[in-house]
Amino acid sequence: ETGVTQTPRHLVMGMTNKKSLKCEQHLGHNAMYWYKQSAKKPLELMFVYSLEERVENNSVPSRFSPECPNSSHLFLHLHTLQPEDSALYLCASSQDRLAGSGPDTQYFGPGTRLTVL
Amino acid sequence: DQQVKQNSPSLSVQEGRISILNCDYTNSMFDYFLWYKKYPAEGPTFLISISSIKDKNEDGRFTVFLNKSAKHLSLHIVPSQPGDSAVYFCAASEGGGADGLTFGKGTHLIIQP
Repeated sequence: ETGVTQTPRHLVMGMTNKKSLKCEQHLGHNAMYWYKQSAKKPLELMFVYSLEERVENNSVPSRFSPECPNSSHLFLHLHTLQPEDSALYLCASSQDRLAGSGPDTQYFGPGTRLTVL
Repeated sequence: DQQVKQNSPSLSVQEGRISILNCDYTNSMFDYFLWYKKYPAEGPTFLISISSIKDKNEDGRFTVFLNKSAKHLSLHIVPSQPGDSAVYFCAASEGGGADGLTFGKGTHLIIQP
């Protein structure tokens, strides 16, 4: 397995369910990200982890809970979601270099298409 | 308010011709700009980037131009090929490091045979 993988690829859940999205990167990177893409909207950054520490949380509702147990794995735990949370959830990874040394090219997984009923 | 704007939702270009995709930004703190390409059912794939200290970066058929005074960048693809048909996203970041990217909504490029 190479690159960034995400499971499941598709998920349908009710508003009272608890589910988790999984992301795994095989690139030796030390930073991982969750993005959300809703219909007709740009990709929106949700969470950033660098060296397994959360460094950014873009005011995401608490019903989304990330977990980064090690540099290769990232989870997004979902609880009591709303129908408007239906979207494509994309995971990305990058090698976190020094600020100002160049853009950290982010490599994306294929995404999980989430539908909340 | 959107900080990265791609005002053309779609663009149709004949095979062999030049494709020009445009992107405007409002945040003067953006230091790096990237273009990603996305096929259906796949995640975005990195294409090319440019630092704010440059005004042009070229990689094969792909060239990105940056006009800082106008807060505008463009991606040129020449010659356009059928496999270039995809959605192209412009993205920007501040200062490098593990910063999240700010994306535009994307432009769907269609290469006509």
